[in-house]
Amino acid sequence: DVKVTQSSRYLVKRTGEKVFLECVQDMDHENMFWYRQDPGLGLRLIYFSYDVKMKEKGDIPEGYSVSREKKERFSLILESASTNQTSMYLCASSSGQSNQPQHFGDGTRLSIL
Amino acid sequence: AQSVTQLDSQVPVFEEAPVELRCNYSSSVSVYLFWYVQYPNQGLQLLLKYLSGSTLVKGINGFEAEFNKSQTSFHLRKPSVHISDTAEYFCAVSPVGYSTLTFGKGTMLLVSP
Repeated sequence: DVKVTQSSRYLVKRTGEKVFLECVQDMDHENMFWYRQDPGLGLRLIYFSYDVKMKEKGDIPEGYSVSREKKERFSLILESASTNQTSMYLCASSSGQSNQPQHFGDGTRLSIL
Repeated sequence: AQSVTQLDSQVPVFEEAPVELRCNYSSSVSVYLFWYVQYPNQGLQLLLKYLSGSTLVKGINGFEAEFNKSQTSFHLRKPSVHISDTAEYFCAVSPVGYSTLTFGKGTMLLVSP
C-alpha cells in the first residue's frame, strides 16, 4: 500500500531555531510536495519537487527552503523559525503523470514558541 | 492560474439524510478535479477524481460527484450520511499536464444522530 511518512506528528520549537521536517515515500514517486494547513485557509503549497535536486516555489515559499537529495526523501527547512509559522504541515507525493492523485502523510503539527 | 471556491465552510446534517457539498472552480485551461477527505488528526485521502469522460464520478464510501463544465462546478453528494462521515472535505483542481493542486478552503461536514 502507498505510504508517505512524516518523521514527527508533533513538534515544539523556539523562535529563531532552524527546524527540519522530514518526509519519506515508498512508492518511487517523482513528485513530492510540502503544504501548510491553517484553519479557514485550506492547504497552501510551499514548495514542490519534480525530481532529485530539483525544486520549485509554490504559493508561499517565504521563510522556507527544501532539500531533495534522494528520490524518496523531501525535507522542509525553516531557516529561522517564527511564531507565524506555527501550523500543520503536510507532505504529499505523486507519480510523474499529471492525472494521478497526490498521496498525503498524516501531518506534523508544529508549534513555534 | 486556478482558483477553487467551496461555498460552505460548515454543513450540519442529521444521520441518514442526503448531503451536497458545493465546489466551483475557475481556470483558463482544462483541469482535472479531485475531492479529498480529512478525518481528525489525519492526512488527506482521495475520495474521487474526474479526469475525462462520464461527468458522474463515483468514489469511495458511497460518495459521488458531478462535473458541470458550463457551470464550472464539481459538487459532491451522498444520498445517506453516517456519523463516521464527519470530517473536512476539500475540493482541488490540477491543470491538465501539471501535477500541482490548488485546494479550496474546505467544508466541515458535521453529522449528528
